[in-house]
Amino acid sequence: SYVLTQPPSVSVAPGQTANITCGGPGIETKSVHWYQQRPGQAPVLVIYDDFARPTGIPERISGSNSGNTATLTITRVEAGDEADYFCQVWDNHIDQSWLFGGGTKLTVL
Amino acid sequence: QEQLVESGGGVVQSGRSLRLNCEASGFSFESYGMHWVRQAPGKGLEWVAVMSYDGSKKFYAESLKGRFTISRDDAKKTLFLEMNSLRGEDTAVYFCARNRLRGRLVDGFDLWGRGTRVTVSS
Repeated sequence: SYVLTQPPSVSVAPGQTANITCGGPGIETKSVHWYQQRPGQAPVLVIYDDFARPTGIPERISGSNSGNTATLTITRVEAGDEADYFCQVWDNHIDQSWLFGGGTKLTVL
Repeated sequence: QEQLVESGGGVVQSGRSLRLNCEASGFSFESYGMHWVRQAPGKGLEWVAVMSYDGSKKFYAESLKGRFTISRDDAKKTLFLEMNSLRGEDTAVYFCARNRLRGRLVDGFDLWGRGTRVTVSS
């Protein structure tokens, strides 16, 4: 079955840029969605369809998808961005399945 | 405002059954596909099941087929998850989530509940 690979952790200093990757074979052919989950809270959709932002999500958060890697980029990182981030795709290669990456813990130093 | 509230979780013995509920408010529940997603303690998100807005399509995670059943009651604006033959590895917080676009299933989950905790004890 299709597997999404994320780095377990990413650390950045405040004000810097964080790049969180999500790898999968030919992922550029899929629509990638990204979720932010702060401790003890429900996930929040921050990017859908590779790069679109839901209402209320700041422009500092952006997404891209090319080749075998989708990327979530957070510029001018703030303490409040510290959270777990999950990528997600729909896969219908063999069966209908909604897959999540393993998640990346973003630490703001 | 738009809201999803899960309930029905608790501590259950291995091998027993449990039914989870997800009550929707503030939007046209009957127009949306709805998912269940779970998260084991300290782990990532795992998709569990989905049901289309009209009930014509149901899909399950391969590892859960045959034990879990998703259903909905649009009159009560409620999504259900019937879980049978529960095992220790089913211990998790269970979230319900809404597909972003009406009538579809694959557009990302734009509304989540706060989850209900299920603990399976031996």
